[in-house]
This record gives sequence, structure tokens and C-alpha cells, in this order.
Amino acid sequence: NAGVTQTPKFQVLKTGQSMTLQCAQDMNHEYMSWYRQDPGMGLRLIHYSVGAGITDQGEVPNGYNVSRSTTEDFPLRLLSAAPSQTSVYFCASSYSMGDTDTQYFGPGTRLTVL
Amino acid sequence: AQKVTQAQTEISVVEKEDVTLDCVYETRDTTYYLFWYKQPPSGELVFLIRRNSFDEQNEISGRYSWNFQKSTSSFNFTITASQVVDSAVYFCALSVDQTGANNLFFGTGTRLTVIP
Repeated sequence: NAGVTQTPKFQVLKTGQSMTLQCAQDMNHEYMSWYRQDPGMGLRLIHYSVGAGITDQGEVPNGYNVSRSTTEDFPLRLLSAAPSQTSVYFCASSYSMGDTDTQYFGPGTRLTVL
Repeated sequence: AQKVTQAQTEISVVEKEDVTLDCVYETRDTTYYLFWYKQPPSGELVFLIRRNSFDEQNEISGRYSWNFQKSTSSFNFTITASQVVDSAVYFCALSVDQTGANNLFFGTGTRLTVIP
């Protein structure tokens, strides 16, 4: 198993540009999520999904869109990048069977918005 | 609402010293889960432990041990005989039992530096 993979590892955008951060897992996990990590603030939940076709907002969803067309993939879209979205983005996945299972994280994407 | 507090922003110890990282959590749910993750300088997040709210037994794994006390809402992490490889940022996190949604609430992390 490759686990949770994220692409790209690094990205630089200009203000107003759009892009998609990719996340994939090969463990047949129902639950997937996106977090952002900012200095001094820990990780904060952006969006999550409990299965294909089902998504919901987390703590900091503004400026981001997600979709879940397959179990394996959970892309995060930045619609119009802003400097405040400069951060490290982590994707995570886990089983979801009415019980909280361990989330495993991807390696992260470091995004800089100029 | 859920909240995790890691009051220690940075800790430095000399190699072979013991160190305890504090974690205090807040939740009104009776069923919840506590986690510790390690983030080494390379940046990835490494899962260390999960503990559910019904199991207050302390756990030991090699040089690592965890002390879960519901009475004080704490889930502290101790590294015995620290090593340079333990240098990392350590995050405590909380999840509540929401069917299908394992959303994690993270503390702000404690940066541990082990000096050789």
C-alpha cells in the first residue's frame, strides 16, 4: 500500500490563481479530510468526507472546495488564492465504522501564495 | 465544543533526560478519543497512540509512556531517556464520537529539542 499520497509537494501561486491539491489513498478508507497547518496554530480542519459523494465543512472552509467522486480521491480546490492561504496542507484518511479510527496523514503540500 | 491545550510551546532537554509533554482537553462528550502525533523536521505526521475515553490505563511503548487522567482532563506524554531523534513537534489531538466523521481537534503543538 502506498498509504496517503499528496501532490504536489510544493507550489507557488500568485494571488487570484486557482489550483487543485490532489490526495489519494489506497486503503479503502471511507473517511478523508483536509487540514491546514499554520505556525503556532496547530492543524485545523478545512473539509472532510465520510464517503464517496458526501462532503462537509470543517473549521476553516472559506476559499476551498472539495468533492469526493471516488473512495480513493479527495481533491482540494483553491478557487482564488489569497496570501492568507499560504500554509502546509495535509490530507488524512481512516476507516469509519461508527467508531473513531486512527487517521493517517499524507506527506503534506507546502503552498505559498504571493 | 472541543479544545486541546498544549501549554508548553518549546522544551529543550539534554540527551538521556526524561521529559513530559502536557496535554489538557475539553469536551462535553462522554465518548471521545485522544491521540498523539509526532512531526519530525522532515514534516510528516507520525501517529503515536490512540486512547478512548473508557480506557484510563496508562500505556508504555518502549521509551514512550502516556498518562491518561479523566479527573484532570489530561493526556500527558513522557519520553524516558530522550534521544536526539526524539527532536520534533508533538501534537495532542481529540476526536469525539460522530458516526462516520473522525474529525480531529489539534493542540498547537510542543516543539521538543533534545541536545546531544
